[in-house]
Amino acid sequence: DTGVSQDPRHKITKRGQNVTFRCDPISEHNRLYWYRQTLGQGPEFLTYFQNEAQLEKSRLLSDRFSAERPKGSFSTLEIQRTEQGDSAMYLCASSFGLGERSTDTQYFGPGTRLTVL
Amino acid sequence: AQSVTQLDSQVPVFEEAPVELRCNYSSSVSVYLFWYVQYPNQGLQLLLKYLSGSTLVESINGFEAEFNKSQTSFHLRKPSVHISDTAEYFCAVSGRLDGGSQGNLIFGKGTKLSVKP
Repeated sequence: DTGVSQDPRHKITKRGQNVTFRCDPISEHNRLYWYRQTLGQGPEFLTYFQNEAQLEKSRLLSDRFSAERPKGSFSTLEIQRTEQGDSAMYLCASSFGLGERSTDTQYFGPGTRLTVL
Repeated sequence: AQSVTQLDSQVPVFEEAPVELRCNYSSSVSVYLFWYVQYPNQGLQLLLKYLSGSTLVESINGFEAEFNKSQTSFHLRKPSVHISDTAEYFCAVSGRLDGGSQGNLIFGKGTKLSVKP
């Protein structure tokens, strides 16, 4: 079990640049989540995929954010025209489930820390 | 609005002392409760969860939490802590909270437990 992996672990960028993060979930997991965590706060939900379908997006996910999971395996999160307020830890989680997903155990990756200068 | 409240941002204790980390959530038709732990420089790990059945749930490393529906609480306790328990602990809920989404974890702000020798 290799766990959930995320790449890169750290990213420093200048305001206005685009960034892309990658998440590789646990291989048999069909469900994938993105969360954002800012300093002093708990993680906040951004978006959810079941297999390759993006089924839910938070109001936190502005038009500058886009996420994909093209083959139902790895996922990418892109932020266009980054702003200083985007500085945060971006967490990916995955789970396996066939029924109500409220009861799933979500397994988290180590996160990508984004700093926008 | 749905929310999870962790009443203490930091809890310092001495080794072998008991500890309680408090968690309260907004009321819901159905709710599932989780405690996650984040050790320094590591990702979030599930510590324990309540889905149904016995209101007292235990982890493999001596923590326990009790679901109290009337008080909408899910406090985490350990009778005797070790230095290695030093970490940040997050309470989370899923389920339909006041009209919110199912499945997405809603986290508290976290409690930093610092165990001193």
